[in-house]
Amino acid sequence: ETGVTQTPRHLVMGMTNKKSLKCEQHLGHNAMYWYKQSAKKPLELMFVYNFKEQTENNSVPSRFSPECPNSSHLFLHLHTLQPEDSALYLCASSQDSGSSYNEQFFGPGTRLTVL
Amino acid sequence: GQNIDQPTEMTATEGAIVQINCTYQTSGFNGLFWYQQHAGEAPTFLSYNVLDGLEEKGRFSSFLSRSKGYSYLLLKELQMKDSASYLCAVVDSNYQLIWGAGTKLIIKP
Repeated sequence: ETGVTQTPRHLVMGMTNKKSLKCEQHLGHNAMYWYKQSAKKPLELMFVYNFKEQTENNSVPSRFSPECPNSSHLFLHLHTLQPEDSALYLCASSQDSGSSYNEQFFGPGTRLTVL
Repeated sequence: GQNIDQPTEMTATEGAIVQINCTYQTSGFNGLFWYQQHAGEAPTFLSYNVLDGLEEKGRFSSFLSRSKGYSYLLLKELQMKDSASYLCAVVDSNYQLIWGAGTKLIIKP
């Protein structure tokens, strides 16, 4: 495996379910990100981890819970979601999160539908 | 507030040239990225500008004017595979990427 991988690619869940999204990067990077992408809207940064420490939480509802056990893996735990949470969830990684040249490498995303 | 503006959608003809504009108002500036995103796929890096001027990379070029808060992506000799969304993103004073909503480019034969 190379680059950034995400599983599952598609997820349909009810509002009472609990599920987790997984992201893995094979690039030796130190920073990882979760983004939400909705149609015709800018990418919304949700969480940033740098060297396994969370450095950003952009006022994300508590029904989204991130976990970063090491620099290569990132999870997004989901519970009691709302239909408006349906979107494409993208994971990205970069060398670190505190520099101007911060090229981010993205995974293919998880298409989430909340019923 | 911080704002990135780009056209929602553009249409161009195969073999032609298209320019996608991006204007920004951000708290600080530490560079500007352009990414390409095909439908259902991950965004991929195209270019990075931090100094004024034109950066050329094959059929794609990116221009930056920091005084005007303006950038454009120029695509030459358009091919059908260039049909995609093009995302403009600015690195602000906190080194966060501020994203535009993207421009969907449709290429017609």
